[in-house]
Amino acid sequence: QVQLQESGPGLVKPSQTLSLTCTVSGGSISSGSYYWSWIRQPAGKGLEWIGRIYTSGSTNYNPSLKSRVTISVDTSKNQFSLKLSSVTAADTAVYYCARGSGSYYGWNYFDYWGQGTLVTVSS
Amino acid sequence: EIVLTQSPGTLSLSPGERATLSCRASQSVSSSYLAWYQQKPGQAPRLLIYGASSRATGIPDRFSGSGSGTDFTLTISRLEPEDFAVYYCQQYGSSPPAFGQGTKVEIK
Repeated sequence: QVQLQESGPGLVKPSQTLSLTCTVSGGSISSGSYYWSWIRQPAGKGLEWIGRIYTSGSTNYNPSLKSRVTISVDTSKNQFSLKLSSVTAADTAVYYCARGSGSYYGWNYFDYWGQGTLVTVSS
Repeated sequence: EIVLTQSPGTLSLSPGERATLSCRASQSVSSSYLAWYQQKPGQAPRLLIYGASSRATGIPDRFSGSGSGTDFTLTISRLEPEDFAVYYCQQYGSSPPAFGQGTKVEIK
């Protein structure tokens, strides 16, 4: 059973960079044709896909966040990470990591999720 | 970019009743690449349906999905107490993958 767990600071100051890591257990992050995504959810609101990475290092980002997002992978640690720069209060949300399934050449649905971590942007 | 609109916003029903949730896309969703998720307070979303009508592993058969093109439906045949939650649709046929705003199924 694949499990994902987010970790990182729960409080980030405005204009700084939000950094989170997702650790995958119960299987190798490199096995199978899966993508690894970050998704966020502001309190009381809907879900927003941030971006994804394949274990080759290939990435795709939501155009609405593309200029501020970097996703990377460390296969030796079975982890992938998110960096979001120049954060504002609008970036306050629960951040989820998730496994993306579906066609390798297309986009994904998400079959395994981390429990989520709340990141608050405040001075 | 495809925008998904879910209706109704809130559905008030009693256990044992049938729930019908709608998800309408602003453009046709290619290859019926539409998924449904259930989310309970304080929890991550849980995949219910992918490919518009395929149930995910371990999902009870009272959950069913249908539709194609721009109109999709999630049906819960008989509501169990644990089914009261928020439901989201998600399209993955084009970039970027996007979610609807959610439908809350509450106890009447």
